[in-house]
Amino acid sequence: NAGVTQTPKFQVLKTGQSMTLQCAQDMNHNSMYWYRQDPGMGLRLIYYSASEGTTDKGEVPNGYNVSRLNKREFSLRLESAAPSQTSVYFCASNTGGLEQYFGPGTRLTVT
Amino acid sequence: GQQLNQSPQSMFIQEGEDVSMNCTSSSIFNTWLWYKQDPGEGPVLLIALYKAGELTSNGRLTAQFGITRKDSFLNISASIPSDVGIYFCAGLNYGGSQGNLIFGKGTKLSVKP
Repeated sequence: NAGVTQTPKFQVLKTGQSMTLQCAQDMNHNSMYWYRQDPGMGLRLIYYSASEGTTDKGEVPNGYNVSRLNKREFSLRLESAAPSQTSVYFCASNTGGLEQYFGPGTRLTVT
Repeated sequence: GQQLNQSPQSMFIQEGEDVSMNCTSSSIFNTWLWYKQDPGEGPVLLIALYKAGELTSNGRLTAQFGITRKDSFLNISASIPSDVGIYFCAGLNYGGSQGNLIFGKGTKLSVKP
């Protein structure tokens, strides 16, 4: 099993550009999450999806949208990237409120 | 919102030494998790604790779920260079909103060979 996979690994955007970060899991987990990690801030929840067809805002949702495409896939979209969105983005998944498993991350720079 | 205070923020230790770090919260959690993040990688689960007072080991790692359910500690015995990384605690409340995994800000561990 690959676990949680994320694409791309690295991305550089110009201010105002849009892009979608992709996440997929092969563990048959119901819930999926998007976090951002900034130096000294730990991991902060952007959006989550408790089950296929549902999404909810986390701590820092502004400037992002998500789509739970099916049980396996959960994407994060930046419609108009800003320098403040320069960060490392992690996707995670779990079932039944138990421990979450993380992907390798996407390193995004917005210039 | 809920916050976890994780300490120390960083530490340098001599190879072979034991390490202790802890997390405290003003809120009660049902589960405490400890993750390690290697440079350039995602966090990897080390230990999960499900009951107040529980003491769990994973190799050289030992973690405890505090009796008050508001704290947890992680010990690493006989540290080695590959222990370098950032260690995160996380508190989880299951049964409610799925978004209730709260992370500490991490303890950055550096080992002098």
